[in-house]
Amino acid sequence: EAGVAQSPRYKIIEKRQSVAFWCNPISGHATLYWYQQILGQGPKLLIQFQNNGVVDDSQLPKDRFSAERLKGVDSTLKIQPAKLEDSAVYLCASSSGTGNRYEQFFGPGTRLTVL
Amino acid sequence: GENVEQHPSTLSVQEGDSAVIKCTYSDSASNYFPWYKQELGKGPQLIIDIRSNVGEKKDQRIAVTLNKTAKHFSLHITETQPEDSAVYFCAAGYALNFGKGTSLLVTP
Repeated sequence: EAGVAQSPRYKIIEKRQSVAFWCNPISGHATLYWYQQILGQGPKLLIQFQNNGVVDDSQLPKDRFSAERLKGVDSTLKIQPAKLEDSAVYLCASSSGTGNRYEQFFGPGTRLTVL
Repeated sequence: GENVEQHPSTLSVQEGDSAVIKCTYSDSASNYFPWYKQELGKGPQLIIDIRSNVGEKKDQRIAVTLNKTAKHFSLHITETQPEDSAVYFCAAGYALNFGKGTSLLVTP
C-alpha cells in the first residue's frame, strides 16, 4: 500500500512570510496527525484529526498556525506569519485507529527553514 | 501532561554487541509504549510497542521491557548491525508523547 505523502519536501522562506504544507494519508486511515520536529528533539504533536473533526489541538500555536482536513482525507497545515523558531521538520502521520491498532505511519516530512 | 525522559542521547556500540535505551514517563495512566526508529531524511517508523498488560515483548533481535510500578521502559537490541544505526524514539500514550531520541551508531 502507498505510504503517507507530503509536499513539498523542503521549503525556505523569510520570517513573516506564509507557508503551507500538504499531506495525503494512507487510504482509509481515519486519523491524521501533524507533528513539529525541531532538530535534535522528538516530534511534538500539533494537531490530531479524526475524519474531518479536530480531536486535539492543544499544542497548536493558534495565533499563527492553522490546519484543516476537508472531506476527511487530505490535510493542509499553514503558518502565517512564520517566525525563526518555526524552522523544523513538519511530519504528517496517519492511523486506522480501530480496535487495538494504533500504529501511526509517518510521511517523510517537510523541512522548513525560516530566514 | 505526560513527560517522557530518554537516555542516553547518544550511544555507540560495536557490531554484534547489545544496545539498551531507557525511558521514564510521568503519567501513570499511560498504557501504550511504542518505539520508533528514524533514519536520516525519513519519518519515524514503528519497530515495536508494548501495552501495560504485559511486562516484556520480543521480536527477533528487538525486545522491550516495561515496569509500570517504576514507570520506566527499555528497548534492547541484540546482535547489533550497522543498519541499526539511526535515531530511536520512545513514546508514551496513544497521543505519542515522544522522548528526545537516542542516536545509535553501530560500528563495524
